[in-house]
Amino acid sequence: AQTVTQSQPEMSVQEAETVTLSCTYDTSESNYYLFWYKQPPSRQMILVIRQEAYKQQNATENRFSVNFQKAAKSFSLKISDSQLGDTAMYFCAFLRIQGAQKLVFGQGTRLTINP
Amino acid sequence: AAGVIQSPRHLIKEKRETATLKCYPIPRHDTVYWYQQGPGQDPQFLISFYEKMQSDKGSIPDRFSAQQFSDYHSELNMSSLELGDSALYFCASSLNRGGTYEQYFGPGTRLTVT
Repeated sequence: AQTVTQSQPEMSVQEAETVTLSCTYDTSESNYYLFWYKQPPSRQMILVIRQEAYKQQNATENRFSVNFQKAAKSFSLKISDSQLGDTAMYFCAFLRIQGAQKLVFGQGTRLTINP
Repeated sequence: AAGVIQSPRHLIKEKRETATLKCYPIPRHDTVYWYQQGPGQDPQFLISFYEKMQSDKGSIPDRFSAQQFSDYHSELNMSSLELGDSALYFCASSLNRGGTYEQYFGPGTRLTVT
């Protein structure tokens, strides 16, 4: 079974700063995807970024980028120039490609951006 | 762009009652998922359907059942409701065959059991 661990329950930074959220996972699979989801106070789950395990290049979406270290099973999210609207719970999620394709989530990191 | 639609958005039921949650996936998506998120918890997978056939089952109580219909919408039926069933229930859809496996979530149905 796959497990996902987010070791930072809460983080807080000032607006415009850069922040990095950590995520580690455990799997014996070789082909999988990793995701970061954002859940603001509205509770909507919003897909932020996707990383395919077979790709060495780290994914980037505007101010959001990841540092994917496959050997270390690490998948961190970097948010640059943070904005007040980035305040949310962030979940790291694992998805295996073979067979069942359910998302396995980490416990989440509550990020607060202060003005 | 079209998103996943869930109804109702809020539902209040009493213990031992029955509830039905509905989900309309993004058009042309081939897979539907149901997740349960308790207070302060991460979403937990319940069940999924690929092309209207059940494809996987998680920690879903026997009191719950689900199906996907010919028009691809899905329903989660919950019977003999318990206080512990109070949670946010998400439906998500994805395009897996030749797609990106990205799961897009609906706004959720907040179920309160009293």
